[in-house]
Amino acid sequence: NAGVTQTPKFRILKIGQSMTLQCAQDMNHNYMYWYRQDPGMGLKLIYYSVGAGITDKGEVPNGYNVSRSTTEDFPLRLELAAPSQTSVYFCASSRGTGRETQYFGPGTRLLVL
Amino acid sequence: GEDVEQSLFLSVREGDSSVINCTYTDSSSTYLYWYKQEPGAGLQLLTYIFSNMDMKQDQRLTVLLNKKDKHLSLRIADTQTGDSAIYFCAESNGNDMRFGAGTRLTVKP
Repeated sequence: NAGVTQTPKFRILKIGQSMTLQCAQDMNHNYMYWYRQDPGMGLKLIYYSVGAGITDKGEVPNGYNVSRSTTEDFPLRLELAAPSQTSVYFCASSRGTGRETQYFGPGTRLLVL
Repeated sequence: GEDVEQSLFLSVREGDSSVINCTYTDSSSTYLYWYKQEPGAGLQLLTYIFSNMDMKQDQRLTVLLNKKDKHLSLRIADTQTGDSAIYFCAESNGNDMRFGAGTRLTVKP
């Protein structure tokens, strides 16, 4: 199993550009999550999904969009990149909630200039 | 909103014990977690404790929970250089999860 994979590892965007951060998992997990990690801060939940076709906002959804057309994939879209979106983005998946372990990808480091 | 707080840095000598502390504010927390993040990698779950427990031991790791004070700690016995990483405390009320900022543990030889 590859677990949770994310691409790209690193990207530089100009203000106003768009991009999609890719996330895939091969564990047949229903739940998938996108977090951002800012320096000196904990992870903040952007969006999550409880299954294909179902997504919901987390704590910091503004400026992002997601879709979940398959169980495996959960891409995160930035439409108009802003410097405030400079961060490290982590995708995670889990079988369920509560004590079910969240498995994390290696992260995508995004710099918006 | 609810918060999870931890100190940002801890430095210990190899072979000593490390204690990483965390406080949280959500009284409805049901699960509390410790994650480890090595450089360039995602978070890896180390251990978790259910809120009706006050201690959990797993090899070199001991988790202590004081629910009254909303205080969680992770003790690493016989700390090794390979334990150098960032350790995140997290709590969940069964629906969503909140993370602390992470404690960077440095182990000196």
